[in-house]
Amino acid sequence: QQPVQSPQAVILREGEDAVINCSSSKALYSVHWYRQKHGEAPVFLMILLKGGEQKGHEKISASFNEKKQQSSLYLTASQLSYSGTYFCGTEEGAGGTSYGKLTFGQGTILTVHP
Amino acid sequence: DTAVSQTPKYLVTQMGNDKSIKCEQNLGHDTMYWYKQDSKKFLKIMFSYNNKELIINETVPNRFSPKSPDKAHLNLHINSLELGDSAVYFCASSQWTPFREVRDTQYFGPGTRLTVL
Repeated sequence: QQPVQSPQAVILREGEDAVINCSSSKALYSVHWYRQKHGEAPVFLMILLKGGEQKGHEKISASFNEKKQQSSLYLTASQLSYSGTYFCGTEEGAGGTSYGKLTFGQGTILTVHP
Repeated sequence: DTAVSQTPKYLVTQMGNDKSIKCEQNLGHDTMYWYKQDSKKFLKIMFSYNNKELIINETVPNRFSPKSPDKAHLNLHINSLELGDSAVYFCASSQWTPFREVRDTQYFGPGTRLTVL
């Protein structure tokens, strides 16, 4: 089942902050965050693992509440280059192997204006 | 150096035709994936191969047939193309392996925009 992202769209001015949320109804092993610009491939931002390990870019932070199956991506002091569509991809971890399968949310469109 | 590459980048074809998309990764990964992204940007997994073996096969029409000649290549062949097949198809790869707990992300290719007329 597809995770749900909120909000669907965000409009910011440069320097403002934003939070994007991702919520799943399934027990999760990991949450992956990507940014996709128009006409390009999704680009990896952050992975959050069950147990608290994180890997990702220094300027982007995120949290993962394993009990609530929720993750949030924090974008601070936004820049024009942050504009794009943000996707969370969830890896289910209820037992057995996931085969590395990611189920993506519907995306959040972030627009940063000067 | 390109990590995950796809050819062609654009594919325009008539309904009923058969077409193939090729993907190659030079990351040394064991697992590769095909995703379909529709006009609403919904990104959905179609297939996955681990070391040439099919491990994920989502509900996809059997007109779609993936083939992995080796673990660095994953191709997608589509028979009897339909209007609804128009989408961007992304290939991705990851370090996932059934033999050890590797938790890393997936790296996407540039995509192939398929337009069926």
